[in-house]
This record gives sequence, structure tokens and C-alpha cells, in this order.
Amino acid sequence: AQKITQTQPGMFVQEKEAVTLDCTYDTSDPSYGLFWYKQPSSGEMIFLIYQGSYDQQNATEGRYSLNFQKARKSANLVISASQLGDSAMYFCAMGAYNTDKLIFGTGTRLQVFP
Amino acid sequence: DTGVSQDPRHKITKRGQNVTFRCDPISEHNRLYWYRQTLGQGPEFLTYFQNEAQLEKSRLLSDRFSAERPKGSFSTLEIQRTEQGDSAMYLCASSGTGGRYEQYFGPGTRLTVT
Repeated sequence: AQKITQTQPGMFVQEKEAVTLDCTYDTSDPSYGLFWYKQPSSGEMIFLIYQGSYDQQNATEGRYSLNFQKARKSANLVISASQLGDSAMYFCAMGAYNTDKLIFGTGTRLQVFP
Repeated sequence: DTGVSQDPRHKITKRGQNVTFRCDPISEHNRLYWYRQTLGQGPEFLTYFQNEAQLEKSRLLSDRFSAERPKGSFSTLEIQRTEQGDSAMYLCASSGTGGRYEQYFGPGTRLTVT
């Protein structure tokens, strides 16, 4: 069975600093994708970044990068130069090749302070 | 290009009533997903369609739940004889095919059963 674990219920970071949100996963599928989503208080899930299990390089999207360590089964999200608008819930998710459903973790609430 | 839309955004109903939610995916996306999110949790997969075919249903989708996607465009999720435990945010997402398959979410429908 697939599982996503996010062990940080909440994180604080000062504006303009970098922050790492942890995510570990478990799967027996050889091919899978890892995703990060942001959920502001408005409720909408916003796609941030994707990493495929066979991708050789870590994914980057603007200020977001994914620190993918396959042997450790971790896919941590790094947000550089934090902004006040980054305050939100962040969810790590996994999808396997043979099924399109996403399995989500319990999320990490990030608060950015001035 | 508009994103995924959902209607209504909020629904309050009495226990035992039937409710129906609608989701309009991104126009070129042929895959559509329904998730349920309760307070403090990540979204949980309910079901998904490829075009008009419903390809997978979670065991969370009891007999009181039914989803349709006629003509492979919009989708409806109906809950019959609602229970207080059905109170949650119902999220719809869509994705394209081929390669990376990140899902784009709508704003959700928040259901409150009194």
C-alpha cells in the first residue's frame, strides 16, 4: 500500500528565509510521481511541483524545489526567499503509474512572519 | 482558459436529504477526479473518470454516493440520505493524459449536514 508521511504539523519561517517541508513516502511501485500542493485558507489546492521517480534531476519551479532522495524515499519541498503569501497548508502527494489517484499526507501548516 | 469550477461552493442540508454537486473540468482534460477532505486531513480519493468511463471507486464511496460524467464533460456527485459524517469539503480535479499527470483542483464544495 502507498503511504505519505508528513511529520511536521506546523513550521514557522521568517520572511526572505528558506524553509524545508519534509515528506517521506512508501510504495512498492517502481514508477510513481511525487507532488506538492499548497492550500491557502480559501481552500483551493494549488499545484506547485512534480517529481517523477525516474527523473535524474531534482525538480524546480521558481522559488520551489524538490529535494528527491529515492533511496531514503523522501521528497522534501524547499521554498526559497519566503513571502508572507506563502503562509498556507502544504500537502505532499504521490501517484503511481498504474493508478491515477493521488495519496496525500496530512499536511504541514507554514506560517511566514515579517 | 478557465480552471476547474465547482458548484455550489457551500451547501447546508439536513440529515436524510439528497445533495448533488457539479464539477466542470479544464476543457481539454479528459480525466476527472473526486476527493473528500475533512478538517485537519489531506484529501482522500473517492473516484475518477477517463472521459465518460468511471474507472476506479474508493471503498469510501458507499452505496449512498454516485458519480456520473455524461458525455465526458462535466461531472456530478450525488449523496443520498446524507449523514452528519458526510460533512466535508468535496474537491474535484482534472488532468490531461501522457507524461506528467498533475491534477488541477477546483475550489471545492463545502458540505455541512445538520
